[in-house]
Amino acid sequence: DAGITQSPRHKVTETGTPVTLRCHQTENHRYMYWYRQDPGHGLRLIHYSYGVKDTDKGEVSDGYSVSRSKTEDFLLTLESATSSQTSVYFCAISESGSGGARSYGYTFGSGTRLTVV
Amino acid sequence: DQQVKQNSPSLSVQEGRISILNCDYTNSMFDYFLWYKKYPAEGPTFLISISSIKDKNEDGRFTVFLNKSAKHLSLHIVPSQPGDSAVYFCAAFTQGGSEKLVFGKGTKLTVNP
Repeated sequence: DAGITQSPRHKVTETGTPVTLRCHQTENHRYMYWYRQDPGHGLRLIHYSYGVKDTDKGEVSDGYSVSRSKTEDFLLTLESATSSQTSVYFCAISESGSGGARSYGYTFGSGTRLTVV
Repeated sequence: DQQVKQNSPSLSVQEGRISILNCDYTNSMFDYFLWYKKYPAEGPTFLISISSIKDKNEDGRFTVFLNKSAKHLSLHIVPSQPGDSAVYFCAAFTQGGSEKLVFGKGTKLTVNP
């Protein structure tokens, strides 16, 4: 299996609290992504990173921030969690962005199920 | 504006028969397409891909067909097996452009024994 792990796997948090999800990879891949999966919406990109300290927004970035201080770690922070952020969050890695996707596609982690009450 | 569309939320087929999953796209700049398979409580896994310079790509029981003029692709699974029951996502991107995949909403395939 590709070396990508997400933590925690499950989390319940209260509205208004900050939450940080972690994605860790051992593949030394340059590109990392955060997606959320919701019924009726499929997979939507939140933020992505194309190198250490290089990040950019996806289509649903409001209320989220990211950081990448090391190649292997990509953190997703919900600054003040809301019920609309209850979702399953997936991290993905790619060796060279579209090049990696062309050869074998993104590799996804197992997901973090986040519930905001 | 949904650039990749999977209009069938679900599909049910009998074991041994063909499963056909469809995907349409609106962005004519997309030139590479992928299918992912997702089981419950797991992350999506890459299944098969196709470049716009081809109209067919085959990998065992899985074949993807691309019709560029119609902006349509389909995934054929023959023969279907109960273990194929999963959610299938279609995805697309532009080579040399944005380094981001755009996903459809997914189709849940159920293969009945």
